[in-house]
Amino acid sequence: KAGVTQTPRYLIKTRGQQVTLSCSPISGHRSVSWYQQTPGQGLQFLFEYFSETQRNKGNFPGRFSGRQFSNSRSEMNVSTLELGDSALYLCASSGLAGGANTGELFFGEGSRLTVL
Amino acid sequence: KQEVTQIPAALSVPEGENLVLNCSFTDSAIYNLQWFRQDPGKGLTSLLLIQSSQREQTSGRLNASLDKSSGRSTLYIAASQPGDSATYLCAVKLSFGAGTTVTVRA
Repeated sequence: KAGVTQTPRYLIKTRGQQVTLSCSPISGHRSVSWYQQTPGQGLQFLFEYFSETQRNKGNFPGRFSGRQFSNSRSEMNVSTLELGDSALYLCASSGLAGGANTGELFFGEGSRLTVL
Repeated sequence: KQEVTQIPAALSVPEGENLVLNCSFTDSAIYNLQWFRQDPGKGLTSLLLIQSSQREQTSGRLNASLDKSSGRSTLYIAASQPGDSATYLCAVKLSFGAGTTVTVRA
């Protein structure tokens, strides 16, 4: 079955612009979480959505937002981009496996954002 | 807040040697612990998932143990190969360690 799909894979923006990233989870998964990965800070949790509701939120400014649609696809948006927002943005989905939700995370390949 | 620490930060071994990677976490009230592998510029690949009720999990040359009471997990990779070179991360409750970067020398 298809894995987690993230688009776009690469993008370049300039400071002050905004960006929207998309994540399609594994079919049947209802939980989607987002992470920012940078060489200096490692992998940091942004937010988690389950059935269109934000369930958990990390410690990021309000410029970072997300949403989840009824088909479980999720988007995250970063407004007023700063140089420090350059990072690999990863999305993970989790859901039922054999009738039980094990909580196992499955990641996409990520969207690499460069802010100039 | 869950803090996850991985030691060592980097490891270089000759081919064939066994690898031991450590992960510690501060909050023992966990649902599960997951080990991942990440190749440069790529996403994370799930290696092993250990539920909180389990003590260990095995897959091929990989074995992961979990000691909830002491807040520790260890990933063992037997008979390492150059293809095992990657960064290994552990995750607990949406918190990730910084990873251990492994280099296996041929």
